[in-house]
Amino acid sequence: GIQVEQSPPDLILQEGANSTLRCNFSDSVNNLQWFHQNPWGQLINLFYIPSGTKQNGRLSATTVATERYSLLYISSSQTTDSGVYFCAVVRNQAGTALIFGKGTTLSVSS
Amino acid sequence: DVKVTQSSRYLVKRTGEKVFLECVQDMDHENMFWYRQDPGLGLRLIYFSYDVKMKEKGDIPEGYSVSREKKERFSLILESASTNQTSMYLCASRQGAKWNIQYFGAGTRLSVL
Repeated sequence: GIQVEQSPPDLILQEGANSTLRCNFSDSVNNLQWFHQNPWGQLINLFYIPSGTKQNGRLSATTVATERYSLLYISSSQTTDSGVYFCAVVRNQAGTALIFGKGTTLSVSS
Repeated sequence: DVKVTQSSRYLVKRTGEKVFLECVQDMDHENMFWYRQDPGLGLRLIYFSYDVKMKEKGDIPEGYSVSREKKERFSLILESASTNQTSMYLCASRQGAKWNIQYFGAGTRLSVL
């Protein structure tokens, strides 16, 4: 099956710092989503981005489908950004459900 | 906004009990999914359903079954709960095609003692 690898596995930042999270995938995809899991376990949709670039406030994401990677940028990080960030994809040729990477755990301290 | 509702946030059950986890979505989505989440393993697909009474096994279906009698409701059943089924369970739904956005419920933390 498709492999989804996220890096780094853990990230510790001071408030106000910028960060880049990476997601590599091993096959062509036609669905890619970024999620933030809050401390209560809820998965919050950040971006639906199978290709191209999107921005939402301090967050932006870029997917280069031909090179099989996606990047999530967090600027001017805040303590409320802490949590686990997941990348998930659906294979283009086969498969129906999102397949998840193992996530990046972000800790932002004040 | 799409709403995916899981009936319980926390559940404690005994080994051997039959356990039902319920999930309801309010957007008439065709596809519904059950995942479990464990530390270090991420989210893994247990079962999904693409229509009423239709189901497909995911990556880890052993020890689980599902039921979809109505379009809006997808139930995960643990026929005889075991301690290794202690986990966070997440339900999701999606409109039709696989390039659409998948939405998640708040999750159920199940402890099997």
